Amino acid sequence: DTGVSQDPRHKITKRGQNVTFRCDPISEHNRLYWYRQTLGQGPEFLTYFQNEAQLEKSRLLSDRFSAERPKGSFSTLEIQRTEQGDSAMYLCASSLGPYNEQFFGPGTRLTVL
Amino acid sequence: DQQVKQNSPSLSVQEGRISILNCDYTNSMFDYFLWYKKYPAEGPTFLISISSIKDKNEDGRFTVFLNKSAKHLSLHIVPSQPGDSAVYFCAASGEIQGAQKLVFGQGTRLTINP
Repeated sequence: DTGVSQDPRHKITKRGQNVTFRCDPISEHNRLYWYRQTLGQGPEFLTYFQNEAQLEKSRLLSDRFSAERPKGSFSTLEIQRTEQGDSAMYLCASSLGPYNEQFFGPGTRLTVL
Repeated sequence: DQQVKQNSPSLSVQEGRISILNCDYTNSMFDYFLWYKKYPAEGPTFLISISSIKDKNEDGRFTVFLNKSAKHLSLHIVPSQPGDSAVYFCAASGEIQGAQKLVFGQGTRLTINP
């Protein structure tokens, strides 16, 4: 399977706990994106990387969120001190370049109790 | 500030007929548009795209039309098949503040009836 993979697919956590998600992009893609989707809405941009450099962060990404892409390969998204409002589907996508389509992974569904 | 809008939350079409999904945008800096299809419990799947230098792009049963003056795009699916039942998102992108992020609409749930 050469598509975008995400792990875990589901995460249930208690409020105040930290969680970390992983994304493995398509291997030759140098751009990697994180989005968040809530019920009834389209995905909303969170942040993106070109190789290992994080080039933009949305204002949706509070100080409790941090993303990394060491060595320009896989990426991790960490949420510290989770809140119930963080419950959402977290989607990762990758692309070859800016005007190439983004390919999405299956997402990680986070539920904060 | 919803820059990309899909005003129809749902659409029901008979199998074999044409499905037309609409999308409006407000930001004239968008210059690349895409349609994605999403099944439950899966990530969005890319369908078709169009750049602002074109007004039409076709790929099999799918055609996307772009009307830049009206800031409107539409996706035509013909003939519609039961497997087309899914949520469809339009997305837009451009050199906005140097980013290439996609801005998505809210989605339209398409149901194809046999």
